Amino acid sequence: SQQGEEDPQALSIQEGENATMNCSYKTSINNLQWYRQNSGRGLVHLILIRSNEREKHSGRLRVTLDTSKKSSSLLITASRAADTASYFCATDDRGSNYKLTFGKGTLLTVNP
Amino acid sequence: DGGITQSPKYLFRKEGQNVTLSCEQNLNHDAMYWYRQDPGQGLRLIYYSQIVNDFQKGDIAEGYSVSREKKESFPLTVTSAQKNPTAFYLCASSPRDSWSEQYFGPGTRLTVT
Repeated sequence: SQQGEEDPQALSIQEGENATMNCSYKTSINNLQWYRQNSGRGLVHLILIRSNEREKHSGRLRVTLDTSKKSSSLLITASRAADTASYFCATDDRGSNYKLTFGKGTLLTVNP
Repeated sequence: DGGITQSPKYLFRKEGQNVTLSCEQNLNHDAMYWYRQDPGQGLRLIYYSQIVNDFQKGDIAEGYSVSREKKESFPLTVTSAQKNPTAFYLCASSPRDSWSEQYFGPGTRLTVT
C-alpha cells in the first residue's frame, strides 16, 4: 500500500489564491519531502522537512509536519499559472534502506 | 532536472524485444535509482545502487536488469519478461550523506506494442 497519500487528488484554483495539499503516511519516518512534476517531465525537489521539524519555508512554499498525526501539508501562497503541476510527497521511512515511498500526487491547476 | 540526463526521451519497441534506457549523472552522487511511473500513480522503485558494482532490487524488479560499472552511469534494461513495460521511467541520484534527497532526470517514456 502507498505510504504517502496526498489529498486532494486534484485541486483547481485561480491565480493569486493559496493552494494547500496534504499528505498522510503510516509508519515512522526520518524525513518527508515534497516534489513537483510538470506534465511528462521529471520530478523537481521542492523541500525536505525532518521528523524533528514542525515547519519549514522556502520562498512561496510552506511545509508543516505533524508526526503525531502522521501528516504533512504543503502550502503554496500567491499561486501562479506556472505552479500548475502534480505535487508528490515522499517519505524516508525509519528502517528502510535507500528507499523513498511516494504517494499518488495532487494535480494542481492554477487558472490565469 | 539538474545534472542527470536520460535518453532517449521517447522510446518505442516491439513486444519481445529487450530495450536499454540510459541514465548519466555529473553530480558526483554515489547512489542512483530507477523508478517506474504509471498514469495517475506515484513512483515505484525498480532498482537502486549505492556504489559502483553493487545494486539492489526495489519493489518491482521482475523483468528488469541493471548494471553499475561507472559511478556516473546506471543503465536499465527492460527485458521481454516484463509483462507491462509501457510506462514512464525516471532515474534519480543522491549523495551518500543525504541519500533520501534524490534528484531526478527528465524521464524516458517507453511504449511497447
